[in-house]
Amino acid sequence: DAKTTQPTSMDCAEGRAANLPCNHSTISGNEYVYWYRQIHSQGPQYIIHGLKNNETNEMASLIITEDRKSSTLILPHATLRDTAVYYCIVRAGAQKLVFGQGTRLTINP
Amino acid sequence: GAVVSQHPSRVICKSGTSVKIECRSLDFQATTMFWYRQFPKQSLMLMATSNEGSKATYEQGVEKDKFLINHASLTLSTLTVTSAHPEDSSFYICSARKTVSSNQPQHFGDGTRLSIL
Repeated sequence: DAKTTQPTSMDCAEGRAANLPCNHSTISGNEYVYWYRQIHSQGPQYIIHGLKNNETNEMASLIITEDRKSSTLILPHATLRDTAVYYCIVRAGAQKLVFGQGTRLTINP
Repeated sequence: GAVVSQHPSRVICKSGTSVKIECRSLDFQATTMFWYRQFPKQSLMLMATSNEGSKATYEQGVEKDKFLINHASLTLSTLTVTSAHPEDSSFYICSARKTVSSNQPQHFGDGTRLSIL
């Protein structure tokens, strides 16, 4: 079973920042938070992951709360191509990557 | 880096045919590869974990004799759907993880859409 809770869907205007929340209140100390997205009819694309510090790469930023019970993925300037299903997953070491239902993000022109 | 290639991207075949899907890690070595299945409007479901040089580990409810997995090298895993039937029609996706650190992310192929007539 997925260990995370995400809103089913979200909308965001093109050019604005998209902030996708994720709750993982039962996260263990050694579990990382991973974010993937899946554009229609493609395989999931890795976005970013982190343990407790905030992380940033060329795609997005990941903000993890101090108690690690929730996190937010930020797409700073959303484009139409960012329309996808976004999955937040927690995993440690050799654990399996278990996908929940994710958030369907729609970027509107 | 971290590119996973999956082939073929689409297969249409008759009921009773066996279909082989290849998954390759192009620029890294992967001790472990994973096979997922995704039905329309559903999330990805893990089918099995493929370990190089050993038998695959199947998830509950997945028939190992129907979904044959071979992981003969650190860059190649294959999934063979034996005697495929229409209910096996689905989107099959593989992923691979670098050997170096198990906290490294898994990287996914672009999937194989299997249609059984």
